Amino acid sequence: EAGVAQSPRYKIIEKRQSVAFWCNPISGHATLYWYQQILGQGPKLLIQFQNNGVVDDSQLPKDRFSAERLKGVDSTLKIQPAKLEDSAVYLCASSLSRGETQYFGPGTRLLVL
Amino acid sequence: DAKTTQPPSMDCAEGRAANLPCNHSTISGNEYVYWYRQIHSQGPQYIIHGLKNNETNEMASLIITEDRKSSTLILPHATLRDTAVYYCIVRALNTGTASKLTFGTGTRLQVTL
Repeated sequence: EAGVAQSPRYKIIEKRQSVAFWCNPISGHATLYWYQQILGQGPKLLIQFQNNGVVDDSQLPKDRFSAERLKGVDSTLKIQPAKLEDSAVYLCASSLSRGETQYFGPGTRLLVL
Repeated sequence: DAKTTQPPSMDCAEGRAANLPCNHSTISGNEYVYWYRQIHSQGPQYIIHGLKNNETNEMASLIITEDRKSSTLILPHATLRDTAVYYCIVRALNTGTASKLTFGTGTRLQVTL
């Protein structure tokens, strides 16, 4: 069974630029999560989707971050404009449904200069 | 905030059992104990979870005390590839926002020759 796929794996941008990350969850998983992991810390949930609807975006900095999951499968996370403090690893995870075990992708490492 | 307490680091000799403790003294009756690990530059990997009974799978064993206030993850024969940060997380059974994963800083396990 294929795992969670993410791209790109690495991205370097300058501050005030925009960037987008893509995630393809495990086939059949209805719930999708985006986490941010700053160096030396554990992952922090940014947003959770159930199919194509948002169920929790309380930790998402909505002035610059946006995410969508239009067809209930793939998802994109966008940052516009990026700040230096957005340098982190962005992890995507999926689960069969809410409350089930989450499985993580390899992450996208973002460096903002 | 994470609801668990773990030692920041531990060492283990290759081939020996690694016993990773976790304190979760405020755990509620509807909360599971989950363990994930994160190998350098990878996404978190699910290991095991349990409610009140001891659990075992191909990766590890989870021992939960009778009062459920602490648990121990056991890797029976640690190898160099088990070097990682291990996260202990308590998580509600329900499907609301309380079911999200809240990561702390984990235990950095170093397996040595």
